[in-house]
Amino acid sequence: AQSVTQPDIHITVSEGASLELRCNYSYGATPYLFWYVQSPGQGLQLLLKYFSGDTLVQGIKGFEAEFKRSQSSFNLRKPSVHWSDAAEYFCAVGAGNNDMRFGAGTRLTVKP
Amino acid sequence: KAGVTQTPRYLIKTRGQQVTLSCSPISGHRSVSWYQQTPGQGLQFLFEYFSETQRNKGNFPGRFSGRQFSNSRSEMNVSTLELGDSALYLCASSLGLVGQETQYFGPGTRLLVL
Repeated sequence: AQSVTQPDIHITVSEGASLELRCNYSYGATPYLFWYVQSPGQGLQLLLKYFSGDTLVQGIKGFEAEFKRSQSSFNLRKPSVHWSDAAEYFCAVGAGNNDMRFGAGTRLTVKP
Repeated sequence: KAGVTQTPRYLIKTRGQQVTLSCSPISGHRSVSWYQQTPGQGLQFLFEYFSETQRNKGNFPGRFSGRQFSNSRSEMNVSTLELGDSALYLCASSLGLVGQETQYFGPGTRLLVL
């Protein structure tokens, strides 16, 4: 079965600084990859997804992610973080077997 | 299109009671999945329903059950509530099966068991 690892439980960045959230997955074939964001007390909102094609995908709110098959990674990036980006971020891996696995999440704090 | 809606948004129950949560998917979506989210265990998959059939089930006791109606609306039921069932329960809908399609999440139902 597939699995997802988000190595960083909590990250703090200054407003305006760049951001990279790491995600590593384990799956035998090319997975379906997702990044979601969750604000406190809310559901999850899709930021972006990768199914196939161009390995650099653009999402909402200025986020992008790059699929690197050789590293089994799907890291999320943003060039300049805004205070409103403070939230919890989840990487998820889907497979063709009706299975969806989420990482443990990375909590992002943005310093003024 | 309206998003995924969940009712109620908040619930307080006592141990031993049962509870039913409701989820209305995005119009046209046939798959509904349920997740339990807690600070300690994170997001855990409960089950998925597609066209009124349970297609996949997570590692939860039989006290957790669900169903899906012909209009794709889904309910989940937890019987004999335990303190550890306190959590945010999230529902997600998608056009197709979990893992192959984008899931759209509702705001969740926060359940507190006293």
